[in-house]
Amino acid sequence: ETGVTQSPTHLIKTRGQQVTLRCSSQSGHNTVSWYQQALGQGPQFIFQYYREEENGRGNFPPRFSGLQFPNYSSELNVNALELDDSALYLCASSMPGLAGEVQQYFGPGTRLTVT
Amino acid sequence: KQEVTQIPAALSVPEGENLVLNCSFTDSAIYNLQWFRQDPGKGLTSLLLIQSSQREQTSGRLNASLDKSSGRSTLYIAASQPGDSATYLCAVLPGNTPLVFGKGTRLSVIA
Repeated sequence: ETGVTQSPTHLIKTRGQQVTLRCSSQSGHNTVSWYQQALGQGPQFIFQYYREEENGRGNFPPRFSGLQFPNYSSELNVNALELDDSALYLCASSMPGLAGEVQQYFGPGTRLTVT
Repeated sequence: KQEVTQIPAALSVPEGENLVLNCSFTDSAIYNLQWFRQDPGKGLTSLLLIQSSQREQTSGRLNASLDKSSGRSTLYIAASQPGDSATYLCAVLPGNTPLVFGKGTRLSVIA
């Protein structure tokens, strides 16, 4: 059973550019969530995808968008990058189940630096 | 709005000590609570998951307790080792939204 993988590991972009981050979910998981973690902070929920549909969104502007593919892998796209977008972006996958038992499995993250 | 607070923000202990990390949350309507470990610049590793109907979970030297009515959880680490040095994050699952995290406790275990 493969775990959650993310690419790239690190990325440096310039303010105003666009970026795409990728995530492959754990085998058999059909739900993917994305989180942003600024330095010294806990992860903040961006959005979640379930069976290719957005299934919840946190307090992030529309320039943060995503996709989920039929194989349940996912992309996070950020347009018009700002300096404050510099953070570790984490992807987590899970399977639906009894709410108390749902466990999210996290990937290693993508470190984005915006200059 | 659910908020999660972790105290202390940082902790430094000598090797071999037993220690307790604290987590509090403002809304007791949660499905579960998880403790994660995060090494610098890395992703999250799940340590323990406590369902709302449970009071504690144990894994090796780790024991996590949950008091939902008072909005508190503790992570107890026995006989700490330098390899335990990391940031420990507490997160609750409120139900129809994904995890809400605290800011973490940065632990240093000194050999």
